[in-house]
Amino acid sequence: DSGVTQTPKHLITATGQRVTLRCSPRSGDLSVYWYQQSLDQGLQFLIQYYNGEERAKGNILERFSAQQFPDLHSELNLSSLELGDSALYFCASSVGVRLDNTGELFFGEGSRLTVL
Amino acid sequence: AQSVTQPDIHITVSEGASLELRCNYSYGATPYLFWYVQSPGQGLQLLLKYFSGDTLVQGIKGFEAEFKRSQSSFNLRKPSVHWSDAAEYFCAAYSGYSTLTFGKGTMLLVSP
Repeated sequence: DSGVTQTPKHLITATGQRVTLRCSPRSGDLSVYWYQQSLDQGLQFLIQYYNGEERAKGNILERFSAQQFPDLHSELNLSSLELGDSALYFCASSVGVRLDNTGELFFGEGSRLTVL
Repeated sequence: AQSVTQPDIHITVSEGASLELRCNYSYGATPYLFWYVQSPGQGLQLLLKYFSGDTLVQGIKGFEAEFKRSQSSFNLRKPSVHWSDAAEYFCAAYSGYSTLTFGKGTMLLVSP
């Protein structure tokens, strides 16, 4: 158990809909990262938040947004869903804003999104 | 562009045989390097990491990796594979900016 909690574990929805994925980081971790894992693209970094502020952006679509709340949990919002958005979405957390000291990301078990 | 390449999509190894998974990186300067493992239905777990110093790094579950600067490689090895090692293995790099960049993974199958 990594200490990172993601809900829901599975989600099935239709094209055009909007969903919200939730992540609680490990106790004491201030950074939250979102990754998308698909068969063709592999693990793609979407976005990082540190202590409530956006710190880095990766390949995140404009239809996607995220935020980190004062209690440090994070939500990833996916809207106007398309078939190609079907994927496993991982949340990860780390202690600091950079990975230099420990270099370790702690991953949740993921939320599997299926868009029909 | 910075990238991590894992040339092998699938590898099948007999139980008890040795294992080597390949990883190459393309960065301007040597990044920090990592190997993660993903078991079915699970998140990724860190096996080992290389920051600097000794080029042979020991990790959990009996894995080790060797950093070779001349070959821009960071290959993962295990002397004797167990059936429970069947999983997907990801090599990753960190250059000091943002977060880890992952390779596309190598699926390890273990045959009896």
